[in-house]
Amino acid sequence: QKEVEQDPGPLSVPEGAIVSLNCTYSNSAFQYFMWYRQYSRKGPELLMYTYSSGNKEDGRFTAQVDKSSKYISLFIRDSQPSDSATYLCAMSAVGNYGQNFVFGPGTRLSVLP
Amino acid sequence: DADVTQTPRNRITKTGKRIMLECSQTKGHDRMYWYRQDPGLGLQLIYYSFDVKDINKGEISDGYSVSRQAQAKFSLSLESAIPNQTALYFCATKTSTEAFFGQGTRLTVV
Repeated sequence: QKEVEQDPGPLSVPEGAIVSLNCTYSNSAFQYFMWYRQYSRKGPELLMYTYSSGNKEDGRFTAQVDKSSKYISLFIRDSQPSDSATYLCAMSAVGNYGQNFVFGPGTRLSVLP
Repeated sequence: DADVTQTPRNRITKTGKRIMLECSQTKGHDRMYWYRQDPGLGLQLIYYSFDVKDINKGEISDGYSVSRQAQAKFSLSLESAIPNQTALYFCATKTSTEAFFGQGTRLTVV
């Protein structure tokens, strides 16, 4: 079993739809959770991050963490064609300067106009 | 200019050839990383470095080597390229809370 699992998609939705992207993980030491967005032919860029459990909202994006279930989600409201990209979850433990991030395989999202 | 620059952006090479991918950064970060990205597998860590004298193997280091020439430069070498090393390669720098990626190098080994 991989340390971080993510539905690879691809996922196609119409413009304006609510999108839910999800990751599960097995390492209970993970406390720092991130979502990266990767456009075609580009490197990933940090979209959102959150510590521990709970929700964090940034505009149309909401990151949700459920540590008891080892499950994180990214919700995109009113999705736009510009949201079409691959979304990678990433996570790490904290408190260790040398801690590396562990990435999920990514979900490819297409938002159709 | 990009904070993390990779060269070349695309490369086609023959089986058995030695090839070097270069990475430079202007962010002043100590930590630098090389990843490969394959469809369905995500980002796999090849090597990472915490400073010029500290080089560490990642999960898939076999067939690769690295050199940290300076704080700003971290190069990846394939000593004898093989077709299953065909992939998209990313260099990154990292703080404790964020990774910064280059644009990637698409390598094809024929």
